[in-house]
Amino acid sequence: NAGVTQTPKFQVLKTGQSMTLQCAQDMNHEYMSWYRQDPGMGLRLIHYSVGAGITDQGEVPNGYNVSRSTTEDFPLRLLSAAPSQTSVYFCASSPGTGGQETQYFGPGTRLLVL
Amino acid sequence: GDSVTQMEGPVTLSEEAFLTINCTYTATGYPSLFWYVQYPGEGLQLLLKATKADDKGSNKGFEATYRKETTSFHLEKGSVQVSDSAVYFCALRNRGSNDYKLSFGAGTTVTVRA
Repeated sequence: NAGVTQTPKFQVLKTGQSMTLQCAQDMNHEYMSWYRQDPGMGLRLIHYSVGAGITDQGEVPNGYNVSRSTTEDFPLRLLSAAPSQTSVYFCASSPGTGGQETQYFGPGTRLLVL
Repeated sequence: GDSVTQMEGPVTLSEEAFLTINCTYTATGYPSLFWYVQYPGEGLQLLLKATKADDKGSNKGFEATYRKETTSFHLEKGSVQVSDSAVYFCALRNRGSNDYKLSFGAGTTVTVRA
């Protein structure tokens, strides 16, 4: 049971380039989400999904796309990278959407946009 | 909207010292409260949680009590070790929220010196 996995661990992009951050979980969790972590700001929700085929926006969705074709995978796409997207990105999952559910986090992807 | 405020760091302690990290929250309804820990170079791990008022979460010698009257969830440990050096995040998840997100505090960096 690998839990939540993310690839790559580190990526450098030039402004305007696109890329996809991968996230997968093997726990059959319904809920998956993407956060970004910036110094002094905690983590902020980018997009989330409550099940395969269903996605919605979080607090800071601009510049990012997601899709959820399977229960296991939830990739995050940067359409045209900007320096403001330099951050650490975390994927998380939980069994359901109840308020008491624990979210399990991946190890993170550190992104630098030049 | 929901929000979490936690004491700013960094906090530097000697081994066996007492640690307290203050956390207060603003939320409608009946949120669940969490403490997550992030060790250097790693993702977030759940440290403890409490899902209703007066519940006490505990793990690895850490404790926090859900105080609805003071809207607080302070983290305490009686005798810290070097291995407790990490960033600690207070978070809430509101059952009344449509996006099921975790709302995080900014994080408190704790360094324990031998």
